[in-house]
Amino acid sequence: DVKVTQSSRYLVKRTGEKVFLECVQDMDHENMFWYRQDPGLGLRLIYFSYDVKMKEKGDIPEGYSVSREKKERFSLILESASTNQTSMYLCASSYGANTEAFFGQGTRLTVV
Amino acid sequence: GIQVEQSPPDLILQEGANSTLRCNFSDSVNNLQWFHQNPWGQLINLFYIPSGTKQNGRLSATTVATERYSLLYISSSQTTDSGVYFCAAHQSGGSYIPTFGRGTSLIVHP
Repeated sequence: DVKVTQSSRYLVKRTGEKVFLECVQDMDHENMFWYRQDPGLGLRLIYFSYDVKMKEKGDIPEGYSVSREKKERFSLILESASTNQTSMYLCASSYGANTEAFFGQGTRLTVV
Repeated sequence: GIQVEQSPPDLILQEGANSTLRCNFSDSVNNLQWFHQNPWGQLINLFYIPSGTKQNGRLSATTVATERYSLLYISSSQTTDSGVYFCAAHQSGGSYIPTFGRGTSLIVHP
């Protein structure tokens, strides 16, 4: 079975902190994604990566950066956390174009 | 890019009832997935169904790619079916990124 693991299920951080959300997949998938989910807005793509060290901005990249140094790991970085980044963050991976995507368990981040 | 719309946005059922959730997409697709988001927030894969019909227990899905829609059927609903159901589509042409609808929130009462 494909497994996508996010490092934390719940996280509370202070405004201005640098926050790292980690995601690891164990199926040698090429593609990895970070989405955020907010009530009434559905899932919005922050960044995705189609190969090691390759990344592309999604719909809402402002305030975020990403890192993919190894194929299995994709990190989302909040350089200076703000309260409007309080949200549910979802990581996903897929093998290639048009293939099935699999999600991690999600991280509920609260910025106070 | 492709637009994905789901209906209805909210659905309330009594246990044992059947329901149909709909997903419309604005362009031709190479991939269509249905997910169930459980109460803890994880998206669980239900179906990968670019075309045709698939069944898994009480759930089944049909995608009619030429008419740009997909349907998810839930029969004999149970309280554990509650949650949000999402569809996601890859636009034809080799898209890496699934585009999601806004979901259907289902509540099943005992």
